[in-house]
Amino acid sequence: NAGVTQTPKFQVLKTGQSMTLQCAQDMNHEYMSWYRQDPGMGLRLIHYSVGAGITDQGEVPNGYNVSRSTTEDFPLRLLSAAPSQTSVYFCASRWGQGSPGELFFGEGSRLTVL
Amino acid sequence: EDQVTQSPEALRLQEGESSSLNCSYTVSGLRGLFWYRQDPGKGPEFLFTLYSAGEEKEKERLKATLTKKESFLHITAPKPEDSATYLCAVQAFNNDMRFGAGTRLTVKP
Repeated sequence: NAGVTQTPKFQVLKTGQSMTLQCAQDMNHEYMSWYRQDPGMGLRLIHYSVGAGITDQGEVPNGYNVSRSTTEDFPLRLLSAAPSQTSVYFCASRWGQGSPGELFFGEGSRLTVL
Repeated sequence: EDQVTQSPEALRLQEGESSSLNCSYTVSGLRGLFWYRQDPGKGPEFLFTLYSAGEEKEKERLKATLTKKESFLHITAPKPEDSATYLCAVQAFNNDMRFGAGTRLTVKP
């Protein structure tokens, strides 16, 4: 039972480069989301999706794109990396947007932008 | 705006020394309050959900309680393996989830 799988675990980018963080879940969850975690701050929501083909912005969406073509996958794209995007990124999923429920998190992707 | 504040930022305890972590919140209609545990280099792991004031949940040495303005995570006779960062999050009726910055707990043997 894999749960939520994120790749890569570590990545170093140069300013201006682009990349995609991958997220896959095998629990048939409708809701998927991306958070970033920075020292001294709580997890902040970047983008989320309530089902295939539906995405929306969270608290800190600038500089990131998402798409949801299948229930299982929810990749996060950095269009032109900036040092301010150095962070640990977490993908999380839960059953449905319309009901309270705990989030299941991946192990995280640590990104450094030089 | 919904806010979650956790205190203290860091807490060091001796093994067996009980204490409490605090999570104060303001939210436009509480749908649920969540506690997570996060180990270094790992993703948060779910511990409890509380839905209404007066509710309590227990798991081994941990007990979570909820009032209309705050939640406490009580740790009774902690062990070194309880060392972790504990995160609190609130879910509003609009389903937005807001996280606190966490309390980093260290339990010394």
